[in-house]
Amino acid sequence: GAVVSQHPSRVICKSGTSVKIECRSLDFQATTMFWYRQFPKKSLMLMATSNEGSKATYEQGVEKDKFLINHASLTLSTLTVTSAHPEDSSFYICSARRTGPGYTFGSGTRLTVV
Amino acid sequence: GENVEQHPSTLSVQEGDSAVIKCTYSDSASNYFPWYKQELGKGPQLIIDIRSNVGEKKDQRIAVTLNKTAKHFSLHITETQPEDSAVYFCAASRAGGGADGLTFGKGTHLIIQP
Repeated sequence: GAVVSQHPSRVICKSGTSVKIECRSLDFQATTMFWYRQFPKKSLMLMATSNEGSKATYEQGVEKDKFLINHASLTLSTLTVTSAHPEDSSFYICSARRTGPGYTFGSGTRLTVV
Repeated sequence: GENVEQHPSTLSVQEGDSAVIKCTYSDSASNYFPWYKQELGKGPQLIIDIRSNVGEKKDQRIAVTLNKTAKHFSLHITETQPEDSAVYFCAASRAGGGADGLTFGKGTHLIIQP
């Protein structure tokens, strides 16, 4: 149980275009989802907290206009990287809160902007 | 905010020996401490977690200890096997209350030498 499905696993896009990443909780309802960013050989850094039906809360230094988060249902949160540039290339990972203190992670999306 | 320090950054042990990874945290309000294993190109997988009302937890070859007074917690892997080779992250959160995400340590690259 408690599976989080993240798609796509890999995406290559041209500079200036936008990319949408989806995160779905398959067998539970996730009122809160989190989006992390991970650079090669580095740790996961929390970007934003996504709450169903309300605006996302962004961590300091994360541009909310560049990283658009939508959490329209209890099972789906999306992250859209707008006007992507090579420096946005990274590994993006979503996570959903489970009942109790646990968190379940998606498998991640490798974004490469060329 | 929370700050999690993790050591060592790289740990090489002989197959069959034990491995210990240590973390410290700064926020005394943190009450949930999970450990994740991450393989290359994949999302983190929870291997064990501990809440602040418990001092130790064990699951087969893996154990975690928590010292709330000193604000540090450790991961112990006994009888290491080649498949234990991966990057391990400790994390902390105030998961009992609101919708806080996880703060991760910088990771430990565990190498099991055959």
